[in-house]
Amino acid sequence: KAGVTQTPRYLIKTRGQQVTLSCSPISGHRSVSWYQQTPGQGLQFLFEYFSETQRNKGNFPGRFSGRQFSNSRSEMNVSTLELGDSALYLCASSRTGTSGSSEQFFGPGTRLTVL
Amino acid sequence: GDSVTQMEGPVTLSEEAFLTINCTYTATGYPSLFWYVQYPGEGLQLLLKATKADDKGSNKGFEATYRKETTSFHLEKGSVQVSDSAVYFCALSDPAGNTPLVFGKGTRLSVIA
Repeated sequence: KAGVTQTPRYLIKTRGQQVTLSCSPISGHRSVSWYQQTPGQGLQFLFEYFSETQRNKGNFPGRFSGRQFSNSRSEMNVSTLELGDSALYLCASSRTGTSGSSEQFFGPGTRLTVL
Repeated sequence: GDSVTQMEGPVTLSEEAFLTINCTYTATGYPSLFWYVQYPGEGLQLLLKATKADDKGSNKGFEATYRKETTSFHLEKGSVQVSDSAVYFCALSDPAGNTPLVFGKGTRLSVIA
């Protein structure tokens, strides 16, 4: 079956702009999680959505937000972009969520560059 | 809070060498432990996992044993190949709570022919 897809794969924005990233989970998966990956900080958890509700949130400013639709597709939005937001944004889906032994399946990521 | 510590890379090995990547964790309760691998230009893939003490996870020649007494989950492979070149992440999740995966910072492995 199809894996997790993320669009777009690459994005270049300038400071102050906003951006929306999209993630389509594996069919049947109700949980979508977002991570930010940077060389300095590694993988940091942004938030998790399960059945359209935010279930967990990481330690990021309010400029980072997300939502999940009834078909489990998810979007994340970053407003007022800063240079430090340049990163690879990874989306992961799972059947039951981030806790326990449920495997998370990752998409290829969206590479965001802020100039 | 929960945390994972991995050995710093990069690690460079010759083909057919033995690989060990150390991983230790701090957690309350009894976490599930994972190794993920990220090949260049791709997302993370689950390599193996273990959900209780003394469990051994294995896949593609890689192994890791859940050692509760030393809070460790070291990744090993007897004979690495050039195709194993990637970044490896150790991670944990707490099955008792509704908390997300906690990742180590990753270890880059380069295998040269």
